[in-house]
Amino acid sequence: NAGVTQTPKFQVLKTGQSMTLQCAQDMNHEYMSWYRQDPGMGLRLIHYSVGAGITDQGEVPNGYNVSRSTTEDFPLRLLSAAPSQTSVYFCASSPATLGYEQYFGPGTRLTVT
Amino acid sequence: DAKTTQPNSMESNEEEPVHLPCNHSTISGTDYIHWYRQLPSQGPEYVIHGLTSNVNNRMASLAIAEDRKSSTLILHRATLRDAAVYYCILRDGGSNYKLTFGKGTLLTVNP
Repeated sequence: NAGVTQTPKFQVLKTGQSMTLQCAQDMNHEYMSWYRQDPGMGLRLIHYSVGAGITDQGEVPNGYNVSRSTTEDFPLRLLSAAPSQTSVYFCASSPATLGYEQYFGPGTRLTVT
Repeated sequence: DAKTTQPNSMESNEEEPVHLPCNHSTISGTDYIHWYRQLPSQGPEYVIHGLTSNVNNRMASLAIAEDRKSSTLILHRATLRDAAVYYCILRDGGSNYKLTFGKGTLLTVNP
């Protein structure tokens, strides 16, 4: 199993540009989520999904869209990038069984100039 | 979400045991206690979790106070590879899959 994969690893955007961060998992996990981590801080939840076709907002959803058309993929779209979205983005997945661990991807480092 | 309190940083020597404390005085009866760690430039990695009883796995042990208002993550023999930020997280065992991360404890391991 590849686990949770994220692409790209690094990205530089100009203010106002849009892009999609990709996340995929091959463990047939129902639950997937996106977090952002700013320097010296813990992770903050952006959006999450408990299954295909179902998404919900986390703590900091503004400026981001998600969709979940398949169990495997959970892309994060930045609609109009802003410097405040400069961060490291992590995708995670877990089984729907409560109490189970979450598996995190390696992260995407995004810089918005 | 119930909150946790951890020291900002701790130091240990290689091959010595490390006890990382976490206070969670407002824990509810359905909250699981999870520990994750984050090595430099990597995503968080699951370490261990428990509900009421002490737990052991290949990475660590989790000691939970009888009143569940605090817990301690125990690394039995620290290695340089254990240097990381350790997060203590309460996860609602009801229907909530979300993890709420604080700032964690930065563990430094000295050779």
